[in-house]
Amino acid sequence: SQQGEEDPQALSIQEGENATMNCSYKTSINNLQWYRQNSGRGLVHLILIRSNEREKHSGRLRVTLDTSKKSSSLLITASRAADTASYFCATGRNSGNTPLVFGKGTRLSVIA
Amino acid sequence: GAVVSQHPSWVICKSGTSVKIECRSLDFQATTMFWYRQFPKQSLMLMATSNEGSKATYEQGVEKDKFLINHASLTLSTLTVTSAHPEDSSFYICSAPRGQPYGYTFGSGTRLTVV
Repeated sequence: SQQGEEDPQALSIQEGENATMNCSYKTSINNLQWYRQNSGRGLVHLILIRSNEREKHSGRLRVTLDTSKKSSSLLITASRAADTASYFCATGRNSGNTPLVFGKGTRLSVIA
Repeated sequence: GAVVSQHPSWVICKSGTSVKIECRSLDFQATTMFWYRQFPKQSLMLMATSNEGSKATYEQGVEKDKFLINHASLTLSTLTVTSAHPEDSSFYICSAPRGQPYGYTFGSGTRLTVV
């Protein structure tokens, strides 16, 4: 079952602007991950943040996690046309052998 | 490393026929494989979990007799869509957990179109 919502469902920005996507989840988690999916393609793992972490950076990506609100955000700075894709958050439970549960995703369009 | 090879990447089949999708772990042993389905502009929904040498576990609403899963070896899990119908047209993707700190490895997905 779906963990929760992501917002916005779709986001259109100009190249160079920042893009912020939010994700909420319902149950307790061990970690939260963000993935990118280009149209009709497989998933690309972007970043993982553990439940005891509050913020993490990777290049132009910044992820925050607020376990008290059961929410996370993904910020892409200085966006590029190549960032156009769908972005999903996925939550993992305590055991590494449990499946990831994906949010509904945000479709990001970066206009050159 | 840690590659899951998924084939075919796309397939078009006629209604009523069966289609087999394979996921192979190339450089590690996958005792567990998760199978997801994704309809256009939607998210990934877990269909089933396969474990090597045992029966698959299906999510609520997924017909086990329609979506046959076999995980006969530590490197191969297959999903067979039997008697496919147009409503089965979707993107199917497998994922193998690798434990901490490796996370999950995904196949590249299979686009199934039933005509």
